Amino acid sequence: TQLLEQSPQFLSIQEGENLTVYCNSSSVFSSLQWYRQEPGEGPVLLVTVVTGGEVKKLKRLTFQFGDARKDSSLHITAAQPGDTGLYLCAGVMSGNTGKLIFGQGTTLQVKP
Amino acid sequence: GAVVSQHPSWVICKSGTSVKIECRSLDFQATTMFWYRQFPKQSLMLMATSNEGSKATYEQGVEKDKFLINHASLTLSTLTVTSAHPEDSSFYICSASRPADTQYFGPGTRLTVL
Repeated sequence: TQLLEQSPQFLSIQEGENLTVYCNSSSVFSSLQWYRQEPGEGPVLLVTVVTGGEVKKLKRLTFQFGDARKDSSLHITAAQPGDTGLYLCAGVMSGNTGKLIFGQGTTLQVKP
Repeated sequence: GAVVSQHPSWVICKSGTSVKIECRSLDFQATTMFWYRQFPKQSLMLMATSNEGSKATYEQGVEKDKFLINHASLTLSTLTVTSAHPEDSSFYICSASRPADTQYFGPGTRLTVL
């Protein structure tokens, strides 16, 4: 049973299109993080959301944490080929000694 | 700040041999280090949590005698894959954190067992 469901798992779009990636759970997280990973490299932290309802923006990327802190979304506006990569959401549950629960990941391909 | 390194970045070994992977926090003291395994186009799978000076806590299904973890100092943890087999070939990633802080990930180690 996957504690953090991430969708879609694969996405191939044209440059300029918008997209949204979702992470959903029935559990409450004290914080949720989004990472981007290139092939052969470690994940790089994009953002951490902590407060229910929180919205954070990073250039063309908008991250939202659900009011109940059970879900999150990543929206990319006007995707570019440089956005291609594996996007991972990961949550920290309260009292879980900092252990990250990862979603399945979303492989994004942006075609020029 | 918060840089984590791994060594080696890639390794090829023969079946039956053991391989050691190092994870170092370069500019901070990491009370906890985590070891992950990742297959192509998949997410990270936590193998074990390692606290400095104590035994590692392994996730269900991970053989502790096969994947030996040592966290001897606040800046170094090692993962030894013993008697490696082709099915152990994977991308191994470590992360390091201070108490109640974000995990900082290393660049990963590609292990290929022939």
